Amino acid sequence: DIQMTQSPSSLSASVGDRVTITCRASQSISSYLNWYQQKPGKAPKLLIYAASSLQSGVPSRFSGSGSGTDFTLTISSLQPEDFATYYCQQSYSTPIFTFGPGTKVDIK
Amino acid sequence: QLQLQESGPGLVKPSETLSLTCTVSGGSISSSSYYWGWIRQPPGKGLEWIGSIYYSGSTYYNPSLKSRVTISVDTSKNQFSLKLSSVTAADTAVYYCARIMTTETDVDYWGQGTLVTVSS
Repeated sequence: DIQMTQSPSSLSASVGDRVTITCRASQSISSYLNWYQQKPGKAPKLLIYAASSLQSGVPSRFSGSGSGTDFTLTISSLQPEDFATYYCQQSYSTPIFTFGPGTKVDIK
Repeated sequence: QLQLQESGPGLVKPSETLSLTCTVSGGSISSSSYYWGWIRQPPGKGLEWIGSIYYSGSTYYNPSLKSRVTISVDTSKNQFSLKLSSVTAADTAVYYCARIMTTETDVDYWGQGTLVTVSS
């Protein structure tokens, strides 16, 4: 089974900050990595697919990079609506997939 | 606009079977471009994929739940369903139904989620 880890598990940041979240796979998953944002009481929302492709309608301040085992989600300038929990998801073993444990971004 | 809506009991007794249905509107479930799946989230915890189904009826399950899970599809009603047997308190969670792209296996549409509590 492919295991996913994320770091940090939580972080505090200010509006305007550049934020980077890391996701690591237990084996190479090429670019089969997706990122989601979840706000309290809401369903997750797809941000990035295939490691670096921006989902339609998602602001360009969100970007993804990486391949193999190490991936990053970057928010170039944190906005008030970006305070949320972020999850990575590997899709290498499609149609079976697993999520990372999540990274909570809150207000500093 | 595609919409997914979960329905089913919000309270299930231990050892019984949890049953949920997802109704898809604004699009056809009989598309070769998508899987249809179930994902759950225990209160305060992360996301767990339960399983997926293709419109043809092919199913794929999380190995950790496989012995207890059945997912089925009814293309005539544009619905798919989840059954989880022998539930315990650990199965208490918000259950989401979702549309999953077959290309990148990304989940591009989610239902609003329904809380299922396992308690006597």
